[in-house]
Amino acid sequence: QVQLVESGGGVVQPGRSLRLSCAASGFTFSNYGMHWVRQAPGKGLEWVAVLWYDGTTEYYADSVKGRFTISRDSSKNTLYLQMNSLRAEDTAVYYCARTGGVWNYCDYWGQGTLVTVSS
Amino acid sequence: DIVMTQTPLSLSVTPGQPASISCKSSQSLLHSDGKTYLYWYLQKPGQSPQLLIYEVSSRFSGVPDRFSGSGSGTDFTLKISRVEAEDVGVYYCSQGIQLPLTFGGGTKVEIK
Repeated sequence: QVQLVESGGGVVQPGRSLRLSCAASGFTFSNYGMHWVRQAPGKGLEWVAVLWYDGTTEYYADSVKGRFTISRDSSKNTLYLQMNSLRAEDTAVYYCARTGGVWNYCDYWGQGTLVTVSS
Repeated sequence: DIVMTQTPLSLSVTPGQPASISCKSSQSLLHSDGKTYLYWYLQKPGQSPQLLIYEVSSRFSGVPDRFSGSGSGTDFTLKISRVEAEDVGVYYCSQGIQLPLTFGGGTKVEIK
């Protein structure tokens, strides 16, 4: 069965960096695009970024553009989110999700990893 | 960005009774390929979101047939024919016709 397991979350000071990982199993990782979606405490869902199945194309939410980078290592079946210049408003649970269609939706989600940006 | 607006914000339902959630998009979700890119997700308490419905009315794998989706253009509805205790949580609609993907604010469903 499809399984997505995020890791790398934690408490980080404003301005610092953090890298999240998402280990995928149960499907052919290199055939699917992947999303990152976040959820601030007590709030709704906010899409963050998507990476095409072949790693050639990526898109970002305006709120993270220029600070976050999505990448993948298909040899390790792992998705990453490099987060730089973190701000308090980046505090959220970060979910990785497999794309449905080319990029149009998220069909399977991980359990999430909490990132807290605080001094 | 496409704005997704859900109503109501919350819903309290007696088990066995129906429930309905409305979702409106600020732009048509009908693509020139003939598909309508509207999705429904459920986030149960303490869990990650799960896909319920894709392209307006197609149930995802394992989703019970008491869940149904309908609508077109900019107006959509999720219906639960007979609510069960396991259906509690927050329901989100989402559009996938253009990036950024956007989600409605959510509708919290509780059991009376």
